[in-house]
Amino acid sequence: GAGVSQSPRYKVAKRGQDVALRCDPISGHVSLFWYQQALGQGPEFLTYFQNEAQLDKSGLPSDRFFAERPEGSVSTLKIQRTQQEDSAVYLCASSLVSASTDTQYFGPGTRLTVL
Amino acid sequence: GESVGLHLPTLSVQEGDNSIINCAYSNSASDYFIWYKQESGKGPQFIIDIRSNMDKRQGQRVTVLLNKTVKHLSLQIAATQPGDSAVYFCAENTTYKYIFGTGTRLKVLA
Repeated sequence: GAGVSQSPRYKVAKRGQDVALRCDPISGHVSLFWYQQALGQGPEFLTYFQNEAQLDKSGLPSDRFFAERPEGSVSTLKIQRTQQEDSAVYLCASSLVSASTDTQYFGPGTRLTVL
Repeated sequence: GESVGLHLPTLSVQEGDNSIINCAYSNSASDYFIWYKQESGKGPQFIIDIRSNMDKRQGQRVTVLLNKTVKHLSLQIAATQPGDSAVYFCAENTTYKYIFGTGTRLKVLA
């Protein structure tokens, strides 16, 4: 498809487990973003990649969160030793370039539930 | 699927009427603003955008108004349809990261 895809769509983890969430951006898009959306709230920025370079990770909640985009295309958000407060929808977005006026297009999200 | 925005402000409108959704943004330096529509179980879907050098922009059935003096953004939907029912978020951008508002749930009454 032509849009941003994410997998899995739903993930249930036991507290303490590690999880990996995948994002396939729109082909050719230079910039990739991860956001976290808690129930009833707007998305909140986690991290930003320009090609393979992670230029901003200021929104990652703790050092248990790690993101990578090794070849400048697919990205993975990894959460180690998951906690209940990590339960949220994780959204990936991509944009063609990285200008402040560039539109970000979102994927469907991965809903993570930590038991 | 899961519900988006269980406790969000709600706007109920009759099918065929016009809807106006408001948003206050926080940063006077923001230079790009976007409205997104989010249906339950889906990611935010781009609706319309506006740059800070404009005060109005029109799309198909939608209009965005920007008032920089009071840091206010609004989305007008003409002839609201059942398919417009969703949660609507405004977002502002100064660099590359978007800052989202709290969202408004739009309910279209038949």
